[in-house]
Amino acid sequence: GQQLNQSPQSMFIQEGEDVSMNCTSSSIFNTWLWYKQDPGEGPVLLIALYKAGELTSNGRLTAQFGITRKDSFLNISASIPSDVGIYFCAVSRGAQKLVFGQGTRLTINP
Amino acid sequence: GAVVSQHPSRVICKSGTSVKIECRSLDFQATTMFWYRQFPKQSLMLMATSNEGSKATYEQGVEKDKFLINHASLTLSTLTVTSAHPEDSSFYICSARPTWTTSNEKLFFGSGTQLSVL
Repeated sequence: GQQLNQSPQSMFIQEGEDVSMNCTSSSIFNTWLWYKQDPGEGPVLLIALYKAGELTSNGRLTAQFGITRKDSFLNISASIPSDVGIYFCAVSRGAQKLVFGQGTRLTINP
Repeated sequence: GAVVSQHPSRVICKSGTSVKIECRSLDFQATTMFWYRQFPKQSLMLMATSNEGSKATYEQGVEKDKFLINHASLTLSTLTVTSAHPEDSSFYICSARPTWTTSNEKLFFGSGTQLSVL
């Protein structure tokens, strides 16, 4: 089935540092999504990407849809304690189901 | 914004009993809802797609007789874990897609249910 490779699996950083994570796939997708999940909660959509090469920001978050449509990255600048959580990439081909990456667990040392 | 309420948030049950989890869209109607399972430190895995007024579509490997899904109205889907066993212990999450869209980026997620089977 469809599989996304998300890396890194976990990150331990100092507050204020920038963060970068990415997702790759062997298949082409029309939509890339980035979610954040806090402990014991459902995921919340951060950024949606619809076009190859698209670069979209949401506050301190920036995500890009790869030119090949097989990858995407998410950057977080100047991390703060509330950025702690698990970040998932997800893909969707048309109205089909969402497929999630394995997640990147972000821990921030104050 | 759109809110999806999932209840209960946490449930502990004895092995062999059944547990019902509710997923409600509070301020919108949803023809389609999705049920996911998430084991510790793992990703969300889609279990089934719930369609109002029709039978759910289950993903490969998910037993439909064990995970009963009912989507009787445009605002409520329920997942019943029948004859629960310890290996069913997991975090179950629902999501709902408003009737006015077919886009998956418009899915709204519930806050999840932590099921622990003793």
